[in-house]
Amino acid sequence: DAGVTQSPTHLIKTRGQQVTLRCSPKSGHDTVSWYQQALGQGPQFIFQYYEEEERQRGNFPDRFSGHQFPNYSSELNVNALLLGDSALYLCASSSQGLNSPLHFGNGTRLTVT
Amino acid sequence: GIQVEQSPPDLILQEGANSTLRCNFSDSVNNLQWFHQNPWGQLINLFYIPSGTKQNGRLSATTVATERYSLLYISSSQTTDSGVYFCAVEPYNDYKLSFGAGTTVTVRA
Repeated sequence: DAGVTQSPTHLIKTRGQQVTLRCSPKSGHDTVSWYQQALGQGPQFIFQYYEEEERQRGNFPDRFSGHQFPNYSSELNVNALLLGDSALYLCASSSQGLNSPLHFGNGTRLTVT
Repeated sequence: GIQVEQSPPDLILQEGANSTLRCNFSDSVNNLQWFHQNPWGQLINLFYIPSGTKQNGRLSATTVATERYSLLYISSSQTTDSGVYFCAVEPYNDYKLSFGAGTTVTVRA
């Protein structure tokens, strides 16, 4: 039973560039959430996708956008990268409904120089 | 938004010791989860526990929803228990989990 998989594991980008991160949810899960974790802090909610729609968004600018595909996989796009976007980006999946714990991938570590 | 406070911020244990981590939250919640983040950054779900008590091996958790707190117990700690423990809550009518700042646990051999 494959868990949540994310790619790439590491990424180095230059200020102003754009980046796309990818996530495949755990088998049987239909809901994908994205979190940003800065060094020494807890994860911060970016947004959640369900049925290919953004269902809820956290306090992140429009430079952060996403997509969910019919197979439930998801992408996170960040435009016009800033130095402050350097962080660990975590994808989490769950199953819509009651009593569904969140399962996280290993994350993508993004460094913006 | 909802506030999640974890204590203590740091904990150093000798192997074999027991410990209790606390999570206080400021509003009623739909669910509460405990996670362990290992030194490599992997975040593992330990418990889904909106109320009541659960046990999983040497770990157990109790949530008293009416008093807005949860406790995570680690018994007979091992070096592999080292890492950061996060409490996260989902308020009613909300889909996001709000995380506390975490408790960093170091278990020494």
